[in-house]
Amino acid sequence: AQTVTQSQPEMSVQEAETVTLSCTYDTSESDYYLFWYKQPPSRQMILVIRQEAYKQQNATENRFSVNFQKAAKSFSLKISDSQLGDAAMYFCAYRSPWGDQGAQKLVFGQGTRLTINP
Amino acid sequence: DAGVTQSPTHLIKTRGQHVTLRCSPISGHKSVSWYQQVLGQGPQFIFQYYEKEERGRGNFPDRFSARQFPNYSSELNVNALLLGDSALYLCASSRNRQVQETQYFGPGTRLLVL
Repeated sequence: AQTVTQSQPEMSVQEAETVTLSCTYDTSESDYYLFWYKQPPSRQMILVIRQEAYKQQNATENRFSVNFQKAAKSFSLKISDSQLGDAAMYFCAYRSPWGDQGAQKLVFGQGTRLTINP
Repeated sequence: DAGVTQSPTHLIKTRGQHVTLRCSPISGHKSVSWYQQVLGQGPQFIFQYYEKEERGRGNFPDRFSARQFPNYSSELNVNALLLGDSALYLCASSRNRQVQETQYFGPGTRLLVL
């Protein structure tokens, strides 16, 4: 079974600076999908960015980018020019294309709480 | 367009009771998944339904069941509630059950079992 590990329970950064959140995963599959979700105090899980394992190019969405190291099974999230609205829990998640009965099951890490200091 | 909606937002039950949680997917979305998020942890997959059929099930006891209706809304039922069932229950919808489809989450139902 796949597992996802986020080793940083909490991180903090000054507003306008850059922060990197770490994520590692364990899988024997060669094709899969990786995601970063943000969960603010409102509780709603919001997709930040996604990466397909077959793509060598790292995904980027505005101020958010990933460093995908397939051999190392590492998938870190970099947030540039941090803003107060970025404060939230961040979850790394894995999806296998070969899930039971084709299920879109996401396997989540434990999360990293990001605080933005003004 | 309305996002995924869930009801109720909060719920308090006692041990041994039964609970039903409801989810309405985004219009046009046919797949609904349920997750349990215990405080301080990441969500765990419970079920996926597509076209009214169960398409995947996580490692949860038979006390947990779900169904999907012709309008693609869904109910999650939990029988014989235990204290450990206290959690945030999240519903997510997607257009279909293709693996590359993005899932959009609702705000969740917070269940407290006393």
